[in-house]
Amino acid sequence: AQSVTQLGSHVSVSEGALVLLRCNYSSSVPPYLFWYVQYPNQGLQLLLKYTSAATLVKGINGFEAEFKKSETSFHLTKPSAHMSDAAEYFCAVSDQAGTALIFGKGTTLSVSS
Amino acid sequence: DTAVSQTPKYLVTQMGNDKSIKCEQNLGHDTMYWYKQDSKKFLKIMFSYNNKELIINETVPNRFSPKSPDKAHLNLHINSLELGDSAVYFCASSPEVAKETQYFGPGTRLLVL
Repeated sequence: AQSVTQLGSHVSVSEGALVLLRCNYSSSVPPYLFWYVQYPNQGLQLLLKYTSAATLVKGINGFEAEFKKSETSFHLTKPSAHMSDAAEYFCAVSDQAGTALIFGKGTTLSVSS
Repeated sequence: DTAVSQTPKYLVTQMGNDKSIKCEQNLGHDTMYWYKQDSKKFLKIMFSYNNKELIINETVPNRFSPKSPDKAHLNLHINSLELGDSAVYFCASSPEVAKETQYFGPGTRLLVL
């Protein structure tokens, strides 16, 4: 069965610092992987997705993620954090039947000035 | 225009009551979903509909019944509400199945007293 594990439930960075949010997946088939962001009291918004076209995926707001099959990872990065990046971030994998998303437990990103 | 809308945004009710949450999408998508986000922000799929037909029904109490009157609407009816039903319920839609990007509504915050 597909699953995702997000390492670190809370990550704190300073404004301008590198953001690294970790996600490892488990999948018996080539996975479709997603990163979503949830701002306080809002729904989820897609940051980026991997669908096997390219291993380095660029998303919105300066975020990118690299698919590494050998490490079963899909970590999210941003070179320079901004205060507006403070939010909850979810990694997700499409289930084997391709009928739903399976989400990780989320990582809260805090950005301090 | 809002792509995926939900009503109501907030719902406070007593145990034992019956309530409904409505979802509408104007994206022309074929597939719609209901997710539950608990107090620890964990997101889990509840139901998935494709072209008005149920394709996923996860382990959800049968007090929860989804209804899709047409492709653009997926409502969630909950009978005999319990304290544990308190959560945020998100509706989402995608063009076909979950390998496509899912677009989320703003959520309905349900509090059962």
